[in-house]
Amino acid sequence: GDSVTQMEGPVTLSEEAFLTINCTYTATGYPSLFWYVQYPGEGLQLLLKATKADDKGSNKGFEATYRKETTSFHLEKGSVQVSDSAVYFCALSEYGANSKLTFGKGITLSVRP
Amino acid sequence: DAGVIQSPRHEVTEMGQEVTLRCKPISGHNSLFWYRQTMMRGLELLIYFNNNVPIDDSGMPEDRFSAKMPNASFSTLKIQPSEPRDSAVYFCASSSQGVTGELFFGEGSRLTVL
Repeated sequence: GDSVTQMEGPVTLSEEAFLTINCTYTATGYPSLFWYVQYPGEGLQLLLKATKADDKGSNKGFEATYRKETTSFHLEKGSVQVSDSAVYFCALSEYGANSKLTFGKGITLSVRP
Repeated sequence: DAGVIQSPRHEVTEMGQEVTLRCKPISGHNSLFWYRQTMMRGLELLIYFNNNVPIDDSGMPEDRFSAKMPNASFSTLKIQPSEPRDSAVYFCASSSQGVTGELFFGEGSRLTVL
């Protein structure tokens, strides 16, 4: 079945540091890929998405590129802020799967001033 | 625009009691999802509906759990009887069919079963 694997956390960075959060996936078809973010005490929000190979999703300074050859969708940001402290989830949705998402376990990012 | 609305935000109950969680999806969305989040297991999909019809309930842990969607603007998740291991944050999410994977989540219902 489909699955998403995220790197182990938590991750702690200083403000303005470079961020990479790894995500790899296993899917039988041609999935769409997503990053969701969960701020403390809130529900998940869509951060960015990519629907086909080599697409790059971007939002709020975050980027991720859909790499079919390595089945990866790593999240990057060049300069993190304290306000980026949150839990980040990688997810996939198979084409035609009625938006059913398979999530990774999430990783907690803490950014210190 | 109102987002997905869940109630209650917090519930503390004793083992054996019935718990009912409620969700109002975004107007016009025709898919609704119930997720459970725990530290140990992360996010788990319990059940989802399309056009008020349950499509996949394979994630429902056992018969103590049931979910209904009597109309397009309301859904419930019921646990009867509740157990301490049911303690978790339960999220409802909705989406518009044809917009793959873009789920809108409520703020969650934090359940504590003593």
